[in-house]
Amino acid sequence: QKEVEQDPGPLSVPEGAIVSLNCTYSNSAFQYFMWYRQYSRKGPELLMYTYSSGNKEDGRFTAQVDKSSKYISLFIRDSQPSDSATYLCATDNYGQNFVFGPGTRLSVLP
Amino acid sequence: GAGVSQSPSNKVTEKGKDVELRCDPISGHTALYWYRQSLGQGLEFLIYFQGNSAPDKSGLPSDRFSAERTGGSVSTLTIQRTQQEDSAVYLCASSPGGQSYEQYFGPGTRLTVT
Repeated sequence: QKEVEQDPGPLSVPEGAIVSLNCTYSNSAFQYFMWYRQYSRKGPELLMYTYSSGNKEDGRFTAQVDKSSKYISLFIRDSQPSDSATYLCATDNYGQNFVFGPGTRLSVLP
Repeated sequence: GAGVSQSPSNKVTEKGKDVELRCDPISGHTALYWYRQSLGQGLEFLIYFQGNSAPDKSGLPSDRFSAERTGGSVSTLTIQRTQQEDSAVYLCASSPGGQSYEQYFGPGTRLTVT
């Protein structure tokens, strides 16, 4: 079992839809959770990070962590074509073991 | 402020030649990471520097790969005797350290070995 699992997609949604992106992880030692957005031929861009269970909101983006089920989610409200990218989840144990998911490719269709 | 920068942005080299890839982290960040990303693939961890500690080299795929970080800032990833399977995007990231673990990535160096 991989340490972080993520559906690679591709996921296609119409503009304005709510997008749900999800990851599961296996190591309960992971304490820090991040979401990155990567446009084609660019480096990953940090979107959000959190180290607690619950929700964290930033504009149209909400990150959700459920440590009891080892499940992390990113919700995008009012999705835009400019949100089309690959989304990577990542987990870490206080800098000891940084692990990325394989990424989900999202297309938001105008 | 300035983000992570990498140079060159693109590098084409012949099989068997050595290449050096450079990373300038965000000023003040104590941790620096190198990753490799092949087309359509996830991030493959290569090496991790934290402050003055010995680097974590556990991800280096072979002894042809090495990296150094001078003065706790700039880092160079060297690939000797390049092979075609080394073709990939090499990404560098830096992290503030302390109680902050999030990584900030550079734009990457696209390496093509012909």
